[in-house]
Amino acid sequence: QLQLQESGPGLVKPSETLSLTCTVSGGSISSSSYYWGWIRQTPGKGLEWIGSMYYSGTTYYNPSLKSRVTVSGHTSKNQFSLHLTSVTAADTAIYYCARHSSVGLRDYWGQGISVTVSS
Amino acid sequence: QSVLTQPPSASGTPGQRVTISCSGSISNIGGNTVNWYQQLPGTAPKLLIYSNTQRPSGVPDRFSGSKSGTSASLAVSRLQSDDEADYYCGTWDDSMNGPVFGGGTKLTVL
Repeated sequence: QLQLQESGPGLVKPSETLSLTCTVSGGSISSSSYYWGWIRQTPGKGLEWIGSMYYSGTTYYNPSLKSRVTVSGHTSKNQFSLHLTSVTAADTAIYYCARHSSVGLRDYWGQGISVTVSS
Repeated sequence: QSVLTQPPSASGTPGQRVTISCSGSISNIGGNTVNWYQQLPGTAPKLLIYSNTQRPSGVPDRFSGSKSGTSASLAVSRLQSDDEADYYCGTWDDSMNGPVFGGGTKLTVL
């Protein structure tokens, strides 16, 4: 059974960079046909896709966040990461890492990590 | 506002059948398969339906999905009190090259 686990700081100061890591077990981030990505949830905006990395390494980002987001993979550790720069209070959310597909294969989500942006 | 449109609320009594709709466009639902998620308070979204109609193992057959054109629906049959939760639809969007979601529907069991 594939499992994903988010890790990182729960509190980030405004204007700093939010960095999270997703550790994958039970499967490889190099598996073909899958995207490995980040989704966040806020009370005001619901579920919002942030960005993803295809198994080949190509990255895709939500246009609304593209200028501040980097998703990268670490195949030797079977992990992938999220870096979101210049954070504000609007970036306070629960962040989920997930394996998803564009061709109807089932997806898997982590349990989520709550991140607050505050000084 | 969310890319996919869902009613904010739905309700039913125990034993009833309830449906939740999800509306999109040709760039998302119209050309791709739909997932449905159940979210209980304080927990991560749980996949209920993927590829329009498929249930992951362990999901009761009381939950079923369908899709037609640029819309999709989730049906919950034989409603139970522990079905009370938020339900989200999601799909791939060809113009964004990523997944998009509905705003969620809060299902209340009266």
